[in-house]
This record gives sequence, structure tokens and C-alpha cells, in this order.
Amino acid sequence: DAGVIQSPRHEVTEMGQEVTLRCKPISGHNSLFWYRQTMMRGLELLIYFNNNVPIDDSGMPEDRFSAKMPNASFSTLKIQPSEPRDSAVYFCASSPREGLTGELFFGEGSRLTVL
Amino acid sequence: DQQVKQNSPSLSVQEGRISILNCDYTNSMFDYFLWYKKYPAEGPTFLISISSIKDKNEDGRFTVFLNKSAKHLSLHIVPSQPGDSAVYFCAASGDSGGSNYKLTFGKGTLLTVNP
Repeated sequence: DAGVIQSPRHEVTEMGQEVTLRCKPISGHNSLFWYRQTMMRGLELLIYFNNNVPIDDSGMPEDRFSAKMPNASFSTLKIQPSEPRDSAVYFCASSPREGLTGELFFGEGSRLTVL
Repeated sequence: DQQVKQNSPSLSVQEGRISILNCDYTNSMFDYFLWYKKYPAEGPTFLISISSIKDKNEDGRFTVFLNKSAKHLSLHIVPSQPGDSAVYFCAASGDSGGSNYKLTFGKGTLLTVNP
């Protein structure tokens, strides 16, 4: 079975440009999470969707960040405009149930570099 | 302020010996703990978990111990194998109010198992 699929794997862009990261969760999973990993702060939860509805976006750092989940098989994380401090690895993860009574299944991540 | 702390950034052990990875937490509301393993250029993968009603959980070579009074948990790997070389993240949940969805991660410990 395919795991969580993220694209692009690597993105290099210039400050001010729009960045869109994409995620396809595991089929049948109804919870989706976006995490960001940096050296300074480790893994941080940005936003959590359940049944395509955003439940908690308190981790989204600024209005420059937005996330959508138009259907059960697709989510996007958009940064507009991007800044060098947004450089990080962004992970998407899904879970087969509401809440978290088990583990998350992570994608391989999207490494973003903003010059 | 870090609520989940992994104070050892790295650990090196010999193949066949025991690896002990430690994790401390400060939030007394946490009631579910997980360990994830991460190889370079891959997403974290779930390893083992423990609920606060237990003090030990074992899965093959991996055992997690929980000391609630000390707010401390540890992961034991016996015997250690070179393929265990990875970054290990401790994570905790349980402080999200009604829905138990938010994982708080430590910054990770890089384990190197030498042949």
C-alpha cells in the first residue's frame, strides 16, 4: 500500500515567492497533520484536519501560511510570500482515526529552502 | 518552553549492547507517549508507545519504560544492531482538551550503533 505522498521533495525558491506543498494521505485515514521540522524548534504541529475540516491551526506561524484540504485525498500547505526563515522540512502525516490513540504515518517530507 | 526534552543529542553504542534513550516531560496532563525513529531523508516512523496506565511496554528488542512520578520515559534497545542507527524522537500527547490529537515532540537523539 502507498504511504503518505508529499511533493515536491525539494524546493528552492527566492524570498517573496509563493510556495505550495502537497500531500496525499493514506486512503481511509481521516486525520491529517502538517508538521514543520527545524533545528531550533524540532518538530512542530502546524495544523490538524479531521474529515477535511481544519480543527486546530494554532501552530500556523503567520497569515503568510495557509492550508486547505478540499477532499479526503489531498491537502496543500501554502506560504505566500515566503521568507528565508521558512526554510525547513515540512512533513505531512495521516492517522486512521479521530484524535490520536495510535501512531501517525508520516510522508518523506518536503525540504524547503528560501533564499 | 520545551515540554518534551531529550537531553542527549547523540548516543553511540557497540553492536550487541543495550541502547538506552531518555526523555523527560514537564506537562502532567500528558497521558500517552510514543517513540518514533527517523532515517535521513525519510519521515519519522512509529516504533512503540505506552499509555500512562502502564509502566512498561515491550515489542521485540524494544522496551519503553514510563516513570510517571519522575515524568521520565526511556527506550531500551537490546541487542542494538547497526540498522538501528537513526534519530529517535520521543513524543507525548494528552493535553489537547477533549480531543487527544496533538503530539508534542522532543528534538531527537541520534543513535549510532557501531559494528
